[in-house]
Amino acid sequence: GAVVSQHPSRVICKSGTSVKIECRSLDFQATTMFWYRQFPKQSLMLMATSNEGSKATYEQGVEKDKFLINHASLTLSTLTVTSAHPEDSSFYICSAERVNEQYFGPGTRLTVT
Amino acid sequence: QKEVEQDPGPLSVPEGAIVSLNCTYSNSAFQYFMWYRQYSRKGPELLMYTYSSGNKEDGRFTAQVDKSSKYISLFIRDSQPSDSATYLCAMTLPTGNQFYFGTGTSLTVIP
Repeated sequence: GAVVSQHPSRVICKSGTSVKIECRSLDFQATTMFWYRQFPKQSLMLMATSNEGSKATYEQGVEKDKFLINHASLTLSTLTVTSAHPEDSSFYICSAERVNEQYFGPGTRLTVT
Repeated sequence: QKEVEQDPGPLSVPEGAIVSLNCTYSNSAFQYFMWYRQYSRKGPELLMYTYSSGNKEDGRFTAQVDKSSKYISLFIRDSQPSDSATYLCAMTLPTGNQFYFGTGTSLTVIP
C-alpha cells in the first residue's frame, strides 16, 4: 500500500505555455501533499504544502502565481507551471502524507524549450 | 513487492552510538543511490550520492552499496542529537528519470 503516482513522468513544452502535473495517492487519502523541486544531484527543495480544500502554503521565494497548486480531493493534487520558461526546467516531485509518513511520487521531468 | 523497502523505525539511540540505516531493493538495474535527511516539515536534504558498489565516506557518514545483495546502508558515527530526523533512501535507473524512494526511517538520538 501507500503508492503515490505522478503524471506525466516527462513533459517537454515551449516557452510561454502552461504545464499541469498531477499527483495522486492511489490507495490512501492524503489531506496534505507536498511539492518539491530538484536540480541534478541536489537536495529536494520544498516548494509548497498542499492541503485538501484550502489554499496551499508556499515556501519563501516560490511564486504562487507561477506555480499554481490545487488540492481538490483527498487523493489528487495538481501543480500547474504557468507561462513556463527554460529556467523552470527541473525535476518536480510530490509526496503525500499518511500518518506522519511521507510517500513520494516518482517525479516529473519538465523541459521547457 | 515494493521496489524499495526501508524499515520505518522508529529508531532511538544514545548520543555517540553508531547508527545503521538500511534499504533493500528488487530491481537490479538501479544504478544511482542516494540518502536524504529530512527534518520535520522540511524538504529532504541530500546527504550521500553513490553510483557503484562499495563505500563512500563523508565526515561521520558512510554510504555502502552492495549491488550483488541489492542492499544499501547509511552509517552514522558518533551520532548527535542534531542527527535526529527521518532518513530516506532513494535510487534511480541509469536514465535517472524516475525516483524510487524508501518510506524513511525515523531516528532519534538521545542526549
